[in-house]
Parts: sequence; structure tokens; C-alpha cells
Amino acid sequence: GENVEQHPSTLSVQEGDSAVIKCTYSDSASNYFPWYKQELGKRPQLIIDIRSNVGEKKDQRIAVTLNKTAKHFSLHITETQPEDSAVYFCAASGGSARQLTFGSGTQLTVLP
Amino acid sequence: DTGVSQDPRHKITKRGQNVTFRCDPISEHNRLYWYRQTLGQGPEFLTYFQNEAQLEKSRLLSDRFSAERPKGSFSTLEIQRTEQGDSAMYLCASSFGQGKAKNIQYFGAGTRLSVL
Repeated sequence: GENVEQHPSTLSVQEGDSAVIKCTYSDSASNYFPWYKQELGKRPQLIIDIRSNVGEKKDQRIAVTLNKTAKHFSLHITETQPEDSAVYFCAASGGSARQLTFGSGTQLTVLP
Repeated sequence: DTGVSQDPRHKITKRGQNVTFRCDPISEHNRLYWYRQTLGQGPEFLTYFQNEAQLEKSRLLSDRFSAERPKGSFSTLEIQRTEQGDSAMYLCASSFGQGKAKNIQYFGAGTRLSVL
């Protein structure tokens, strides 16, 4: 089955700096890669996703890049703000699998 | 509220008791998923329904776990003879299987289970 590895597990940045979180996946049949933000005690919320037919997608301060050959994808947050502090999860699905396989999460802390 | 709703939000039970959780998906979504999340980890897939059919079950879903979606709308997840290792957040998600929104899963707030 699919295996998703996520790094780093914790990340602290100064407000206004950029943050980058990286994930690798194992199943070359995976074709859908969402990123979720989860604040303490709350539901995971989709912040951006990318499908395997594109290499990059951007939504305001958030961007995701995908390298299918290397089987890795990354989340980029620019001009970070304290409200960006949360746990971020990457995930992958596709091929015969409808379910998402999640990474282990990155605790992002934006210091004011 | 048109999002995914789960009930109850919290459940405390004694080891050996049975518990049942309910999930109401977004109304037009035909796919429904159950995941389990423990502290500091990402959600782990348990099982998946398309309409009323349970199409896939994880190895994590022991024979003490059963899930149903009898009319293709709400779903229930039952855990029999609970063990302390069952303590976790149980998350439900739903998605629409067609079009641009295909595969986008929306999560409920979860049911936090504590087994004493």
C-alpha cells in the first residue's frame, strides 16, 4: 500500500518568513495530493490540493509543487502569520485506493 | 450547517463496553470514510462506503469494529468490547465521486473516545 513520509515534524519561523514542508510517497499510481491544516481540537481542513497532471498550484500565500518522477510534493507558505500556526498534514490517494494516506504531520509555529 | 457532522463529540467508556458513533455526511456526497487519529499522528484509514456499499476495510479494522451506511446517507461505527488501545479520535469524511470536486474529502470534527 501507499506510504507517505513528511518532514520536518516541527517547524518554527518568524512572522513574515516562508515555511516549506516536504512529503514523499511510495505508490506511483497515486494521483491526488491534498494538504490539510488542523488546529488543536478541530477538524482537518483542506487548504490546497494538486492532481498529478500539474506540477504547481498556488492560492494566495500558499503553493504546492509536485515532482512525479521523484515522488515528492511540497507545501510553501509565504509571508507567514501567527494564525498559520497549526499542524499541517500531507496526504496521497489514487490508483485503486479511494482513501487518503496521511503523513505524520508538521507542527508549524509562527513566532510574532 | 451543511458540513459533515459527528455525534457524540466525546465518549468516555469502560473497557469491555460497546460504543457506537454516528456520522452525517454532506448531503450530496456519495462517498463516506472513517479514519482514526491518535495524538501526534495523521489520520489512519479504517473503512470506506460508496452509497450503501462498504467497498474497503483497513487491516486496522479488527472484527470488533463494524460500520454501516444502511440507506447511503448517515453511517455508524460500532466498537464492541472496547480496549484501552481503542482510545483515539474517530474522524468521518465525505466526498463526491465525480467532477472537479472528485476525491476532495471534507472532515467532521470527530468523536473523541476515551476507554478507561
